[in-house]
Order: sequence, then structure tokens, then C-alpha cells
Amino acid sequence: DGGITQSPKYLFRKEGQNVTLSCEQNLNHDAMYWYRQDPGQGLRLIYYSQIVNDFQKGDIAEGYSVSREKKESFPLTVTSAQKNPTAFYLCASVAWDRILTSGNTIYFGEGSWLTVV
Amino acid sequence: AQKVTQAQTEISVVEKEDVTLDCVYETRDTTYYLFWYKQPPSGELVFLIRRNSFDEQNEISGRYSWNFQKSTSSFNFTITASQVVDSAVYFCALSEYGATNKLIFGTGTLLAVQP
Repeated sequence: DGGITQSPKYLFRKEGQNVTLSCEQNLNHDAMYWYRQDPGQGLRLIYYSQIVNDFQKGDIAEGYSVSREKKESFPLTVTSAQKNPTAFYLCASVAWDRILTSGNTIYFGEGSWLTVV
Repeated sequence: AQKVTQAQTEISVVEKEDVTLDCVYETRDTTYYLFWYKQPPSGELVFLIRRNSFDEQNEISGRYSWNFQKSTSSFNFTITASQVVDSAVYFCALSEYGATNKLIFGTGTLLAVQP
């Protein structure tokens, strides 16, 4: 089945460690996104990538890094510089070639819970 | 600046009641897109609807209906004859026209449907 797969579902990080969250999609979508969800704050955009080997910062990029070496993969690294990383992280993707028509539907993965211990 | 406001933080209803979730948005764009997503306890965001700014027709899908009014910048969501399975957090979101497809989310409304 086509879709967006995030792993791991649950991750624990010790202070000072970097961790990487995986996001893979087999929808042949061009653009991919990472959002962070905190209680009562909705979702906020961390990074996004519209094409392979290119990505842009979102609203809360500090303490995070990404790469887009393959179209289907957009991993997110939470670095030790992120002071409050405990949150729910959601990956999303959308097809590029529908961009000038009636709007695009953004589809989300199942999310990853990151907890600092 | 773009903004989405969901003033209702939590709503509790009894099964079979109708319930309306409010969404008010702000944007300077003349072309934009509005979305509703459902987030059940498992966490994934489930796409419910996308509405284009130039299409103000209301939409009905089973027990779900959406009322889009540009005059009041609102895109409200009504669930008719609510069921326990409707219990979730519902997010309204806005996307500007253009290449980025970035979504601006409201803070969500937690709907609890009691049996």
C-alpha cells in the first residue's frame, strides 16, 4: 500500500544526544515536511523540502537538521542544540505536479513520539 | 500574516447530538486553501476536506458538513448525530497559493463524544 511511514513510533533520547527520525514515502511525492506538535499549540513547521537535495527552514528550525538525498526519504535529526525536544513529530508529503490546479492535499504519517530522559 | 484560530479548546457532547467546530482564518492572499484534519488518539492526522478560496459551496459528506463563508473568514465543521468514534482532536489549517504548500494550523479542538 502507498503511504508515509515514520519510524520509530516511540524514541527516548538522553540529554546531549542527537537522534534521527525516519520518514519514507512511496507516493512519488515531490515535497515533504516535518511538523512538531506540542499540547495546546497545534502543529508547527520545522523544515520542508520541495525537491531532492534542497530544503528550507520552517518556523522552528533551530536545533534540527534534515537531508533530502532521495525523493522518498526525508529524515529529521534532533540535535543536542534543541533544548526542549520532547514532542510529537509528524512527517507529511504532497505531489508537486498538482500545484497549479485546484490545490494540493497534504498527507501525514503516523507520527513519532520523542521523549528526553 | 496568516493565522488560524480555533477558539474552542474542548467540546463535550452526548452521542447523537450535533456539534459544530469553529474555525476562523486570516490571510492577505486572494487564493488560498482550507483544510480540516482529524487526529484520533493514535496520533496520525487524517485528511477530511480541502476547500479552495474561490469555491464557497458548502459540502456534505455523510454526517460531516462544512460551511465556508469568506465574508466572515470562517470554515466551520459540523458533525451530525455524533458518535463515540468521532472523539478526536480536529485541526483546521490554511495554505497559501503557491509552491510551498506550507500549512498553518489552528491549535485544535478536542471533541469528546460521550455514550
